[in-house]
Order: sequence, then C-alpha cells, then structure tokens
Amino acid sequence: ETGVTQTPRHLVMGMTNKKSLKCEQHLGHNAMYWYKQSAKKPLELMFVYNFKEQTENNSVPSRFSPECPNSSHLFLHLHTLQPEDSALYLCASSQAETLVSYEQYFGPGTRLTVT
Amino acid sequence: KNEVEQSPQNLTAQEGEFITINCSYSVGISALHWLQQHPGGGIVSLFMLSSGKKKHGRLIATINIQEKHSSLHITASHPRDSAVYICAVRNTDKLIFGTGTRLQVFP
Repeated sequence: ETGVTQTPRHLVMGMTNKKSLKCEQHLGHNAMYWYKQSAKKPLELMFVYNFKEQTENNSVPSRFSPECPNSSHLFLHLHTLQPEDSALYLCASSQAETLVSYEQYFGPGTRLTVT
Repeated sequence: KNEVEQSPQNLTAQEGEFITINCSYSVGISALHWLQQHPGGGIVSLFMLSSGKKKHGRLIATINIQEKHSSLHITASHPRDSAVYICAVRNTDKLIFGTGTRLQVFP
C-alpha cells in the first residue's frame, strides 16, 4: 500500500450516529491534515497535526473530533452531525508543517452523507 | 471576495485544443500549487512553484509574483484531462484554495 489511503470511501449516517473516518499515510511524513470540501466551495482546512500534536483547529464544531495516535494514522470521529456536514472529507500529509513550502499529498476522500 | 480567484469556473474544449486556466491571488505567498481533482474525489498535486515556469509533459505552469497571477496551460488536450483544477497559495503556514475550474474535454 502506498500513498495516502482513506476509509471508508462512502459513508451514510443519521444525525444521531457515531462514526469514524480513517486516514493512513505510507510516505514517512510527519504532518497530516483534514479538509472539508463542500459543493461549489473552496477546500476548507479543518485540523493539522504536526508530529502527532494538533497545531491547528480552524474553528471546527466539537461534533468533529480528530485523533492522531501516531504520525502515520489520523482519525476523524463524528457524532451528532447535521445535514450541512455532508461533504467530501479529504486527508493529506506532508513532510512537516513549517514555514517552508512542503507539498501535500492527498487521499481519495470519504464522501459523507448525513441524513 | 475570495483571496484566491480562478477563471474560468467552467471550461469545455475539443480534444487537441490548447487550454489556459488562470489564478489570481491577493495575499503574500511563499508558493503556489496547482492541483487536479478527478470525479472520484482524489486530488493530485501537479505543480508547486514560487517563481518562473515549470513544465511536466503537456502541462505548463507559470507564475508572475509582481502581478500575483498564475496560469496553468494544457497543450494538446485529451478527454482524460477532464477534471477540476484547483489553485492554492501558501500564506505563512496556511494553504488557501480557489474554488476550482471544471474542465471537460470532448473527443
């Protein structure tokens, strides 16, 4: 397995469910990111983890809870979501999140539908 | 107004045509990225550049720092080039994304 993988690829959940999205990178990177992509809107950065520490939380509602147990794995735990949370959730990784411009490598995304 | 603007929003072309997608930004940047997103959702990084011009196969990316403008060119376009092309700029430690240009190339 190479690159950045995400599971599941598609998820339908009710507003009262609890589910988790998983991201794994096999590139030896130290920084991982969660993005949200809604229809006709730019990609929105949600969370950044650098060397397993959360370095950014872009005012994301608490119903989204990230977890980074090690540099290779990133989770996004979801609970009591709203229909407007339906979107494509993309994970990315890079060598490190610093002032130097490192290229980010993206996973295929999880298409989430909240009913 | 978005800090990163792309034009056009949608673009259709016949196979073989030369294509240009534009990106203008209003913030100071350390680098600019061009990304390609296929219908399945996955995003591939095409270029990262901070000055001048880069070429990879049929793709060419240019940037003019003074004018805060970048272009992505596709020569001899092919239906498999159909995708959304996203411009993103790096401002301090953040990536700011444009809304993308949807390209459809017909045989």
